[in-house]
Amino acid sequence: DQQVKQNSPSLSVQEGRISILNCDYTNSMFDYFLWYKKYPAEGPTFLISISSIKDKNEDGRFTVFLNKSAKHLSLHIVPSQPGDSAVYFCAASVGSNAGNMLTFGGGTRLMVKP
Amino acid sequence: DAMVIQNPRYQVTQFGKPVTLSCSQTLNHNVMYWYQQKSSQAPKLLFHYYDKDFNNEADTPDNFQSRRPNTSFCFLDIRSPGLGDAAMYLCATGERGGETQYFGPGTRLLVL
Repeated sequence: DQQVKQNSPSLSVQEGRISILNCDYTNSMFDYFLWYKKYPAEGPTFLISISSIKDKNEDGRFTVFLNKSAKHLSLHIVPSQPGDSAVYFCAASVGSNAGNMLTFGGGTRLMVKP
Repeated sequence: DAMVIQNPRYQVTQFGKPVTLSCSQTLNHNVMYWYQQKSSQAPKLLFHYYDKDFNNEADTPDNFQSRRPNTSFCFLDIRSPGLGDAAMYLCATGERGGETQYFGPGTRLLVL
């Protein structure tokens, strides 16, 4: 039973346009959500997070939106750059403590075309 | 630079031959994790250590064991690798109360 799902395995976007990556979850106990970025042959690197007390968190070109009622979050990248091409994983946990377990989605491969 | 290091990056073993993967960290984090990631799937947590306390996920096979001799090092032992154990193995660290986990580059295991 996948508690965190990324239904789009891949996404292709033109450089300069917006990339929107989506993530759905089923466990209503999740209250902390993260996005990780993964390049080939490297481990995932933390990108941005959001607590369930917020509905938006912004960091430069990256914004995460959380819709608790729909159990849905999305990552917006504006403007998209070729260097953003990577696999993006969303993850969720109960509590924001790093000692808490992360449940990952299956990832979305983003390709930004020059 | 503070980091999470995994050795080797690529490991080839034979069916049934024990293999050990290693992870070290310079972040001095008290939590260390091992994940298994198969192709195009989500990373799956195998177990984690909070300091020396070992926590096994319920569905982690007995074939997988772990050791954490000190804060800096953590090992993943696969006692009798099967073909289905071929995967990327990711080590991560975190600080209780911290925001996120920090991942190493992974070890890709191939079982022949």
